[in-house]
Amino acid sequence: DAGVTQSPTHLIKTRGQQVTLRCSPISGHKSVSWYQQVLGQGPQFIFQYYEKEERGRGNFPDRFSARQFPNYSSELNVNALLLGDSALYLCASSRTGGNTEAFFGQGTRLTVV
Amino acid sequence: GEDVEQSLFLSVREGDSSVINCTYTDSSSTYLYWYKQEPGAGLQLLTYIFSNMDMKQDQRLTVLLNKKDKHLSLRIADTQTGDSAIYFCAERKAGNTPLVFGKGTRLSVIA
Repeated sequence: DAGVTQSPTHLIKTRGQQVTLRCSPISGHKSVSWYQQVLGQGPQFIFQYYEKEERGRGNFPDRFSARQFPNYSSELNVNALLLGDSALYLCASSRTGGNTEAFFGQGTRLTVV
Repeated sequence: GEDVEQSLFLSVREGDSSVINCTYTDSSSTYLYWYKQEPGAGLQLLTYIFSNMDMKQDQRLTVLLNKKDKHLSLRIADTQTGDSAIYFCAERKAGNTPLVFGKGTRLSVIA
């Protein structure tokens, strides 16, 4: 079975641009969470979606948005990119919203120049 | 508030045991996790423990939890060069709540 897949793996954007990151959860998993990992830090929670509804939001500005599709895949959108948005964006998949185990994808490395 | 702290670096010789420590502040945390991150990669779930347990062993990995002191440790027996990575401690409450991570401990294994 495929694990959590994220695309693209790397991305370079200019300040002010918009970006969309994609995540496909493990087959059978209905919950997707997004985390931002800045270099040298642990991952920080951005959003959780379960059954296509937002179930949690971290302390991130409104420039960050996400959605989950009927097939449980998810997109993370970031508008008006800032240099500080440069990070590894990680998607985590779990069977349910409150499931114990969360499995991460390889991440998307976003560089804002 | 929520905070997870770890020492930043640990260096051990191949074949020795490694012990990575973590402290957390949220006494309502229900699940505690250890993740491994290799260079340029995502996070790999190594193991987790429920807060009502004291110890969990899984092959070379042993997790110890001292709930009174809010202290979690991960022991890796017979440490190998392939164990070199960053290890993250994370906590989570019951229900629909996110993981809260520490800053990670970089483990270097010397051959």
